[in-house]
Amino acid sequence: SQQGEEDPQALSIQEGENATMNCSYKTSINNLQWYRQNSGRGLVHLILIRSNEREKHSGRLRVTLDTSKKSSSLLITASRAADTASYFCATDAWGTYKYIFGTGTRLKVLA
Amino acid sequence: NAGVTQTPKFRVLKTGQSMTLLCAQDMNHEYMYWYRQDPGMGLRLIHYSVGEGTTAKGEVPDGYNVSRLKKQNFLLGLESAAPSQTSVYFCASSYREKLFFGSGTQLSVL
Repeated sequence: SQQGEEDPQALSIQEGENATMNCSYKTSINNLQWYRQNSGRGLVHLILIRSNEREKHSGRLRVTLDTSKKSSSLLITASRAADTASYFCATDAWGTYKYIFGTGTRLKVLA
Repeated sequence: NAGVTQTPKFRVLKTGQSMTLLCAQDMNHEYMYWYRQDPGMGLRLIHYSVGEGTTAKGEVPDGYNVSRLKKQNFLLGLESAAPSQTSVYFCASSYREKLFFGSGTQLSVL
């Protein structure tokens, strides 16, 4: 299976702390994306990083990509209760247009 | 602008019954996708389409068929439903490599 793995599976932190979640994948990729899912709803795109980029920022989000290790991390700084959700990484292999998702990290931010 | 709309939102089937899930998007996107989500498994790609009249298999295509007769619609069919197909099904369309998701269809097969 091409599906990636994310760790941890679940993460519980206090409001104001930083949350870090990791994604590993198996094949060479064109880009890697992170999505957020609130309680059974559809996923929402957060950020995209291309295979030739090493780091990207968007607001309180910081994404890194290490293609030699086939891994990525998502850092959410100064977390809020509203950040409570599941977070998924998704990758697409070059030229395939197939977006394969990881298994997700469930984040709980305690107020 | 409704985005991606999935119909129905909930459905209960008996083993062996057939049904079609409809996905409609009003954003004129070329690429469309069907995923299923099961606890602890994340999302798994069933089938996808890179344009009107085209379909391709994803990670878990067995037991499903799809059609993309019109650019805005992507249909997912279950010919003979099995309990293993109990899941939440998500449709998505893609523009500039970003996926836009519908709100999902919860399907139970008894």
